[in-house]
Amino acid sequence: GQNIDQPTEMTATEGAIVQINCTYQTSGFNGLFWYQQHAGEAPTFLSYNVLDGLEEKGRFSSFLSRSKGYSYLLLKELQMKDSASYLCAALDSNYQLIWGAGTKLIIKP
Amino acid sequence: DVKVTQSSRYLVKRTGEKVFLECVQDMDHENMFWYRQDPGLGLRLIYFSYDVKMKEKGDIPEGYSVSREKKERFSLILESASTNQTSMYLCASSLQSDITEAFFGQGTRLTVV
Repeated sequence: GQNIDQPTEMTATEGAIVQINCTYQTSGFNGLFWYQQHAGEAPTFLSYNVLDGLEEKGRFSSFLSRSKGYSYLLLKELQMKDSASYLCAALDSNYQLIWGAGTKLIIKP
Repeated sequence: DVKVTQSSRYLVKRTGEKVFLECVQDMDHENMFWYRQDPGLGLRLIYFSYDVKMKEKGDIPEGYSVSREKKERFSLILESASTNQTSMYLCASSLQSDITEAFFGQGTRLTVV
């Protein structure tokens, strides 16, 4: 079956760095997405990786290893506004998104 | 700015009622999707559409139907609402030529009593 695993909740300190991991098992693979969702709001797109390696976008970076079925989202210089859920999703061979349950990130001062 | 607008943020309906959730996008996107989001579960695809009058079942279509009469509008219909359909419903759209980014509406929190 198809499956996405990510931690349910993580806590980090303002100004620090946090890494949110995601492992996936899909039938075929056409890329890995990360979305941010603040409570009560719509998910918003953060990143898309289809090739192995690290992609950096300001304070946020996303990494993919296709051979390991693994990705992570790295958030640097954490700010209080980064408190949100982070959703990992993989695009399968039919170009359908398979979603993880999301990781709730709590930032403490 | 791309906008995906869902008609209601909050809805309370009675068991057995027919419920319509409307979604409109203003970026001429071909693809539109309906998901439900429940605590502890990932987004689950109910139905999607790649073109006007076209619809495909997602992972959990039972108890739902959809309508896409115009490109910009994708409606989700609960034929006879039940309490297990209490959930957050999210609509999304994307370009057919660029599936790498989907844009989501604000969500409709539906409570069936």
